[in-house]
Amino acid sequence: DQQVKQNSPSLSVQEGRISILNCDYTNSMFDYFLWYKKYPAEGPTFLISISSIKDKNEDGRFTVFLNKSAKHLSLHIVPSQPGDSAVYFCAASAYRGSTLGRLYFGRGTQLTVWP
Amino acid sequence: NAGVTQTPKFQVLKTGQSMTLQCAQDMNHNSMYWYRQDPGMGLRLIYYSASEGTTDKGEVPNGYNVSRLNKREFSLRLESAAPSQTSVYFCASRPGLVSYNEQFFGPGTRLTVL
Repeated sequence: DQQVKQNSPSLSVQEGRISILNCDYTNSMFDYFLWYKKYPAEGPTFLISISSIKDKNEDGRFTVFLNKSAKHLSLHIVPSQPGDSAVYFCAASAYRGSTLGRLYFGRGTQLTVWP
Repeated sequence: NAGVTQTPKFQVLKTGQSMTLQCAQDMNHNSMYWYRQDPGMGLRLIYYSASEGTTDKGEVPNGYNVSRLNKREFSLRLESAAPSQTSVYFCASRPGLVSYNEQFFGPGTRLTVL
């Protein structure tokens, strides 16, 4: 049962435009959310995170928005650059209960930024 | 500071062979994790170790065993490899369970079972 869902396997955006990657979750115990970026033949690298006490977190060109009532988060990249082309994974964690410390990952979205 | 290292980078096995994937971290992290990544499936947790001396099953533990050798090292063993275990394996570590922080990943081991 997929607790974190990324329903768009791919996204193509022109350089300079905004990229919006979406993620939905089902487990109401999740209270910490992360985005990872992965290039081919490399391990995932942490990009940005947000805790459930916030609805927005910003780091340079990257902003994550959290809508707890809809169990939805999104990653905005503005402006998009060709070097942003990678697979982006959404992940969630719960710091209460038996799932303490585990990350649950979505299936990823392949972002392609073209010139 | 190498972060999380994994050996080997690539491995080809025949069905029924055994092997151990090695992982080490030099960040003094308490928690360590093993994931597998398959096309279209994202990252799925195999086993994790919350702290030295403890291990727990993840989402897809069948066919695997783990050993938390010490605080630095966490190995994953395939006793009798099957073609279904063809995958890319990632090890990760994290400072501890009781704080909000990310996991740090190694570069991966690409395993093919024929």
